[in-house]
Amino acid sequence: DIQMTQSPSSLSASVGDRVTITCRASQSIGSYLNWYQQKPGKAPKFLIFGASSLQSGVPSRFSGSGSGTDFTLTISSLQPEDFATYYCQQSYITPYTFGQGTKLEIK
Amino acid sequence: QVQLVQSGAEVKKPGSSVKVSCKVSGGTFSTNAISWVRQAPGQGLEWMGGIVPIFTKTNFAQRFQGRVTITADESTDTVYMELSSLTSDDTAVYYCAREFRNGDLEYWGQGTLVTVSS
Repeated sequence: DIQMTQSPSSLSASVGDRVTITCRASQSIGSYLNWYQQKPGKAPKFLIFGASSLQSGVPSRFSGSGSGTDFTLTISSLQPEDFATYYCQQSYITPYTFGQGTKLEIK
Repeated sequence: QVQLVQSGAEVKKPGSSVKVSCKVSGGTFSTNAISWVRQAPGQGLEWMGGIVPIFTKTNFAQRFQGRVTITADESTDTVYMELSSLTSDDTAVYYCAREFRNGDLEYWGQGTLVTVSS
């Protein structure tokens, strides 16, 4: 199975900050990398697919980049509603696997 | 507007089975794959398997092989996930999700809490 490793596991930031979360795959996955946002007690929300394509309705302050094994999710200017846990996921091959999550907290 | 509505919470005894349903409305049921993902309390997301209804083709994570069954009923646009030989480690919220393309989990159900306890 492909292992997905996110860093950091948790992050404290303030409204207006620019934050970056990284995700590394244990083998090359091309651009088959997705990002999800999850708030407590809610289902994950699909944010970015194909490493860099923004899902419809997702604010443009979110962006993704990378290919091969190294990927990033960037939030350009944090808003109060962005404090959540973020997961990367590879869709290159089954079993689809997720990173362990990055919890973004208010500083 | 695509919506996935799952069945309600379940409490099960160790060794028993649970069957969770996921009714899909909006969009085209038959040609979009449906995946099942679970999340143990305080833990991350784990893909269990999926089905493409029109082909009744299923795919499972190795660790669930032989213990999970995923079926689709095209007459009611509903997908079912049955997990057998339950242990306390299976206590989790189970989500269904419709794929946009292979593995891209675009729309999610609200989740079903399955508690395994004696």
